[in-house]
Amino acid sequence: EPEVTQTPSHQVTQMGQEVILRCVPISNHLYFYWYRQILGQKVEFLVSFYNNEISEKSEIFDDQFSVERPDGSNFTLKIRSTKLEDSAMYFCASSTSLSSYEQYFGPGTRLTVT
Amino acid sequence: GEDVEQSLFLSVREGDSSVINCTYTDSSSTYLYWYKQEPGAGLQLLTYIFSNMDMKQDQRLTVLLNKKDKHLSLRIADTQTGDSAIYFCAESGGGATNKLIFGTGTLLAVQP
Repeated sequence: EPEVTQTPSHQVTQMGQEVILRCVPISNHLYFYWYRQILGQKVEFLVSFYNNEISEKSEIFDDQFSVERPDGSNFTLKIRSTKLEDSAMYFCASSTSLSSYEQYFGPGTRLTVT
Repeated sequence: GEDVEQSLFLSVREGDSSVINCTYTDSSSTYLYWYKQEPGAGLQLLTYIFSNMDMKQDQRLTVLLNKKDKHLSLRIADTQTGDSAIYFCAESGGGATNKLIFGTGTLLAVQP
């Protein structure tokens, strides 16, 4: 069964450093999402991406964040200058279309900023 | 803004039924979902219900939707220790992005 994959599973970085979190969505999917979950809190929407551009972003997704689909398979989330409060689990998701009821989630990348 | 609320914790004995409740605010939600998250793992879609339905049954799972009260529940029959996890309610408004708005999650602890 096709699945969304994410790498790395765990990333430790120092405050102020740039990180890139990588996702490979399911191959025929067209809509891509990033969510994050700070430890013990709810899963929060960050950004959605379609047709090579951001279609919606949340208040969390400020200028420190960017997303890219550099080739036909990867979907990345970049944090330019990490802060302690960026420590969280980051989930990538994809879906075939807006009318599809299901977003398929990856296993997540745990980002720890020290 | 959109908000989804759940109780934080539920403890049941193995073999009993579990009922996890959720309230939401966005009446335009197209779909409502239940996701399961096991320790250290990602989000697994358990079941969903379309907003024009009142009930959906899927094996041990029963979803009830009260659209008037904006209340969603998940009933797990014959709860097993393997059902121990965090259960997230989520709503989707469709629209431009179909983003999911998640609840706070309910930790279900199943006692043997």
